[in-house]
Amino acid sequence: QQQVKQSPQSLIVQKGGISIINCAYENTAFDYFPWYQQFPGKGPALLIAIRPDVSEKKEGRFTISFNKSAKQFSLHIMDSQPGDSATYFCAASIDSGAGSYQLTFGKGTKLSVIP
Amino acid sequence: DTAVSQTPKYLVTQMGNDKSIKCEQNLGHDTMYWYKQDSKKFLKIMFSYNNKELIINETVPNRFSPKSPDKAHLNLHINSLELGDSAVYFCASSQSSRGYNSPLHFGNGTRLTVT
Repeated sequence: QQQVKQSPQSLIVQKGGISIINCAYENTAFDYFPWYQQFPGKGPALLIAIRPDVSEKKEGRFTISFNKSAKQFSLHIMDSQPGDSATYFCAASIDSGAGSYQLTFGKGTKLSVIP
Repeated sequence: DTAVSQTPKYLVTQMGNDKSIKCEQNLGHDTMYWYKQDSKKFLKIMFSYNNKELIINETVPNRFSPKSPDKAHLNLHINSLELGDSAVYFCASSQSSRGYNSPLHFGNGTRLTVT
């Protein structure tokens, strides 16, 4: 059972355009929603994250929009650049106790930004 | 300075062999994880250790055994390798805390190919 559903699977955007990736979750116990960016041959790296008591968070060209009632959140990349081409993962976190937390990832979106 | 380092980067081996992957973090974190990324890029947690104590042990074959000699190291030993074990294995670390206070830092992965 996949607890975090991500779409689209792939996305092609022209340089300067807006990239939008959507995620939906089922478990209301999730308390932290990060987005990770992964380049080929590298590990995922935290891009931006949000807590469920906030509806929007912006960092530079990256914005997370969060809709708690709909159990959905999305990543917007403004003025998309070729260097943004990567795989993006949404995730949701739940406290596993004893100082550990468990991230459940979406299946990823491969973003290609074309000049 | 690499924060989370894994060795080896590539591992090619035959079915039935036993192999180990090593992970070290120099971030001073006290929680470490192993994640598996399959051919479709899906990331799934395998294990979590906090202060050398196993916290999360997802449903993985008991051929996989994590070992944490100290807080900075978490190794993964795999017995009797099977074709289906081929994947990229990521080590990660965080400071014991709620997720929003301590993001996960990933290594660059070990690509395991079983022939």
